[in-house]
Amino acid sequence: EVQLVESGGGLVQPGRSLRLSCAASGFTFDDYAMHWVRQAPGKGLEWVSGISWNSGSIGYADSVKGRFTISRDNAKNSLYLQMNSLRAEDTALYYCAKVSHDYGDYGGTFDIWGQGTMVTVSS
Amino acid sequence: EIVLTQSPATLSLSPGERATLSCRASQSVSSYLAWYQQKPGQAPRLLIYDASNRATGIPARFSGSGSGTDFTLTISSLEPEDFAVYYCQHFYGTFGPGTKVDIK
Repeated sequence: EVQLVESGGGLVQPGRSLRLSCAASGFTFDDYAMHWVRQAPGKGLEWVSGISWNSGSIGYADSVKGRFTISRDNAKNSLYLQMNSLRAEDTALYYCAKVSHDYGDYGGTFDIWGQGTMVTVSS
Repeated sequence: EIVLTQSPATLSLSPGERATLSCRASQSVSSYLAWYQQKPGQAPRLLIYDASNRATGIPARFSGSGSGTDFTLTISSLEPEDFAVYYCQHFYGTFGPGTKVDIK
């Protein structure tokens, strides 16, 4: 079964850091670009970041550029999101997502999603 | 950065009716556009990719069209399980704000 399982969320104070992880199984992880998408409570979807299969192509939303870093470890079938200088507006459910077809860079559409990990930024 | 706008924000329809949802891009995205359905408490589900291709397992009542800056998702005859929020998304990430399809 193709599966993505996020972890690492929690309550964190503004200005602090948090690292999210996504464990992939059921498919050849290093064949596909991967992404993080978030959803604030009661709000719409917001793309956060994407990374190509070989980490050679990476993109970030303007709202997180310079504060968040996406990475992957193909040997461990894992995707990560290092989040620094967290703000209240980063409070959201963070989803990990797999692209449906690989185009060589970080682009794509998302056919498999995890169930998300909640990040709450509050003092 | 490409901005996607969706209209209407809410669409109130009855089961069996046709739903037409619009997505407009601030600049051409060619055919690199997808549509997702999200129900409360669930992760989004991919419906359409590359503007007009149905994803695996998606019923034929869902269809997508358009290219460049203007795109449409059509649900030919609404089933009870189709009442949800629908998002369009550009290939390099950006999502539209969503259209909620609710029961009239």
